Amino acid sequence: DVKVTQSSRYLVKRTGEKVFLECVQDMDHENMFWYRQDPGLGLRLIYFSYDVKMKEKGDIPEGYSVSREKKERFSLILESASTNQTSMYLCASSSLQGAYDFGPGTRLTVT
Amino acid sequence: DQQVKQNSPSLSVQEGRISILNCDYTNSMFDYFLWYKKYPAEGPTFLISISSIKDKNEDGRFTVFLNKSAKHLSLHIVPSQPGDSAVYFCAASGYSGTYKYIFGTGTRLKVLA
Repeated sequence: DVKVTQSSRYLVKRTGEKVFLECVQDMDHENMFWYRQDPGLGLRLIYFSYDVKMKEKGDIPEGYSVSREKKERFSLILESASTNQTSMYLCASSSLQGAYDFGPGTRLTVT
Repeated sequence: DQQVKQNSPSLSVQEGRISILNCDYTNSMFDYFLWYKKYPAEGPTFLISISSIKDKNEDGRFTVFLNKSAKHLSLHIVPSQPGDSAVYFCAASGYSGTYKYIFGTGTRLKVLA
């Protein structure tokens, strides 16, 4: 019953490292999203994609980039990790108007 | 500017009683609303939705009510169970080229046995 998977559940990186977070969905969804969850701030949208090779900035894109070369895969890249990017990262996918299916999340710690 | 607000960060309820979680929004163009439940160290799971053409939707113990004039929705859980203890997020969306949901900050529900 695999739906949305994320490459790592827990990740520890050093400041300045380039970090790749991978997300794969098997539902043939058009839309894919990256959110981060922080206490008291809820879920904030970083980037989303509504088609292969298409991407749009969300509310907090600074310090991040994304890549969607195939429909099923959406990658989040932290170009130079900083301690304020320590967070829970959640990938989601959806059909055109559908509810999101979320992955299990990646708890990233930047030291 | 927070377009979707959950003003109660936490809520405690006795097992078997009703839990009511509230959500307010500011954008009158929102026409589809979702509730998610999230356990620690897991991704959110979809609970229930409602579109703006309805004012109520039920699914088992979960009912969502929508008051468009007040820009307010609420999730009722009856009866509450200890396994319902989690963080609940509401989310709202309106069409703007694609459907993109804006989430509230969440309410932590604790159901006491």
